[in-house]
Amino acid sequence: GAGVSQSPSNKVTEKGKDVELRCDPISGHTALYWYRQSLGQGLEFLIYFQGNSAPDKSGLPSDRFSAERTGGSVSTLTIQRTQQEDSAVYLCASSTGLAMIYNEQFFGPGTRLTVL
Amino acid sequence: AQKVTQAQTEISVVEKEDVTLDCVYETRDTTYYLFWYKQPPSGELVFLIRRNSFDEQNEISGRYSWNFQKSTSSFNFTITASQVVDSAVYFCALSEAGFSGGYNKLIFGAGTRLAVHP
Repeated sequence: GAGVSQSPSNKVTEKGKDVELRCDPISGHTALYWYRQSLGQGLEFLIYFQGNSAPDKSGLPSDRFSAERTGGSVSTLTIQRTQQEDSAVYLCASSTGLAMIYNEQFFGPGTRLTVL
Repeated sequence: AQKVTQAQTEISVVEKEDVTLDCVYETRDTTYYLFWYKQPPSGELVFLIRRNSFDEQNEISGRYSWNFQKSTSSFNFTITASQVVDSAVYFCALSEAGFSGGYNKLIFGAGTRLAVHP
């Protein structure tokens, strides 16, 4: 079946503009994660969704960042009033979200965001 | 708090040399998982291995081997007889066991960039 897909693959925007990044998880996966890979910062966790539970937003770097997951499937990461330090590759991952066992995360190809 | 440290930022070797990538982790959990991922120049994350905290057996897969030592909180990765195709950024990661609701947030190290020259 299809893997995790993300769109757009590349996004160039001007400082101060809002951007939306989309993640389409593997069908049937209830858990969805967003990570960010900044130059020199490695990969950092941003937010986690699991079914109808309240998301874990503990990794979001500021209140300019928000994410939604509609219908338990597609997720959108929104960055408002983008800053140059938001330039990074944004990776999405999904997993089955089953309790009591380890759930492998499958990563998408990422969206490269460049803020000019 | 959970933390993963990859002290080597960049390593450069000549083809056929052996190379070891270091990974040291911190966690208060008694049950956890450790991972290595490869990120080639194309950018996708490629899963290499997962080990749980109860299994300290070393593992070998072809030219790759992993040494897990709980006593030193290390999970080192060795590539034997390196090849140019091994050139990539390698990430070590840690996750809690996720027995509660299937939650397995990954904590990544900063990555080690390996360059293998012909």
